[in-house]
Amino acid sequence: DAKTTQPPSMDCAEGRAANLPCNHSTISGNEYVYWYRQIHSQGPQYIIHGLKNNETNEMASLIITEDRKSSTLILPHATLRDTAVYYCIVIGNKLTFGGGTRVLVKP
Amino acid sequence: EPEVTQTPSHQVTQMGQEVILRCVPISNHLYFYWYRQILGQKVEFLVSFYNNEISEKSEIFDDQFSVERPDGSNFTLKIRSTKLEDSAMYFCASSDSHVPPETQYFGPGTRLLVL
Repeated sequence: DAKTTQPPSMDCAEGRAANLPCNHSTISGNEYVYWYRQIHSQGPQYIIHGLKNNETNEMASLIITEDRKSSTLILPHATLRDTAVYYCIVIGNKLTFGGGTRVLVKP
Repeated sequence: EPEVTQTPSHQVTQMGQEVILRCVPISNHLYFYWYRQILGQKVEFLVSFYNNEISEKSEIFDDQFSVERPDGSNFTLKIRSTKLEDSAMYFCASSDSHVPPETQYFGPGTRLLVL
């Protein structure tokens, strides 16, 4: 499984878009990029995944660069309940969680 | 929306005792997983299970651990003789596929405290 690099923390203003970067320069052609989040010791929550194309669902958008070496998770209108640790994972056949980005949404 | 459930939410046990953590995966899922998270540390993979067999296990998953699907709905993790360092949150997950993309859905966890 490819390794990912994320900033350890970031703050975001409530109501604004949160853009969470992730580098995965060693990703291979058949590996998907997944995003999960964990709100204060709850079970990790699936957000979105993608292979090559940008993806959007009711929670977030995922922008993957053309070379697939990095991606950005976008929370379009962050709320206080989006405060969590966000994990970018390049998946082979099991989830390997790194340190993630601790996102604090401030009023 | 279907979800993974886990019982108990909290478990306190004495060192050396056996514990069984229970999970009910999403009903049409066939692939099951256990993860653990020691307080303040990363979520760590323990084991994956499919078709009544372990598919993969980590080095953490030693002989003290076992998994079982005793019936059509439950998936259990047993720790035979608990140690202090087994204190952690234990998360169960399930997916309907093992071929990417296989989205795993997690339960709320069981907080295990070994005294």
